[in-house]
Amino acid sequence: DTEVTQTPKHLVMGMTNKKSLKCEQHMGHRAMYWYKQKAKKPPELMFVYSYEKLSINESVPSRFSPECPNSSLLNLHLHALQPEDSALYLCASSQRGEVHQPQHFGDGTRLSIL
Amino acid sequence: DQQVKQNSPSLSVQEGRISILNCDYTNSMFDYFLWYKKYPAEGPTFLISISSIKDKNEDGRFTVFLNKSAKHLSLHIVPSQPGDSAVYFCAASEDQGGSEKLVFGKGTKLTVNP
Repeated sequence: DTEVTQTPKHLVMGMTNKKSLKCEQHMGHRAMYWYKQKAKKPPELMFVYSYEKLSINESVPSRFSPECPNSSLLNLHLHALQPEDSALYLCASSQRGEVHQPQHFGDGTRLSIL
Repeated sequence: DQQVKQNSPSLSVQEGRISILNCDYTNSMFDYFLWYKKYPAEGPTFLISISSIKDKNEDGRFTVFLNKSAKHLSLHIVPSQPGDSAVYFCAASEDQGGSEKLVFGKGTKLTVNP
């Protein structure tokens, strides 16, 4: 069982829609991440939040807007997406500290853009 | 440019034998390495990690070896079990201003035959 919960599991939306992906963890982790994974490709980092502040944005288009309302929640707001944005969107979390800590992933949201 | 490479897209082994998955990296700033296992329709599951100050880390049936001079790491699974059949991702971490950036290889699909 994953301790990082992502909703919804599947999402189909048109290019003019606005929707949000949600991620929740209750492990006390203070770093949270969004990744995008296309079919038969590895996950690619999009955003990193550390202590609820955006610390890394991997030059992601502005039609993707992340939000971290508190230490347990991470949202990804979607607007005016393109068909090539169809992918699996993965959320992850990890401890923050002096030493490296592994990232733990949710099962993802499968997003299809019509 | 691919900073983390898994040159074998697939590997097939017999149950009870050793599985060896290989990974090469190019970025000398990477200082933490991880292996993830991924089943279809699930997110990556953390398996084992190793810091660059070590050359070996063992956890049950899983052992990771790191050769920094060759920029090479490997995952050994002994004995292999049919339930180990999955896609295995190698990942490397770089500290960027206090935040971890994880870079994944393309994955190796392991099939363990009964």
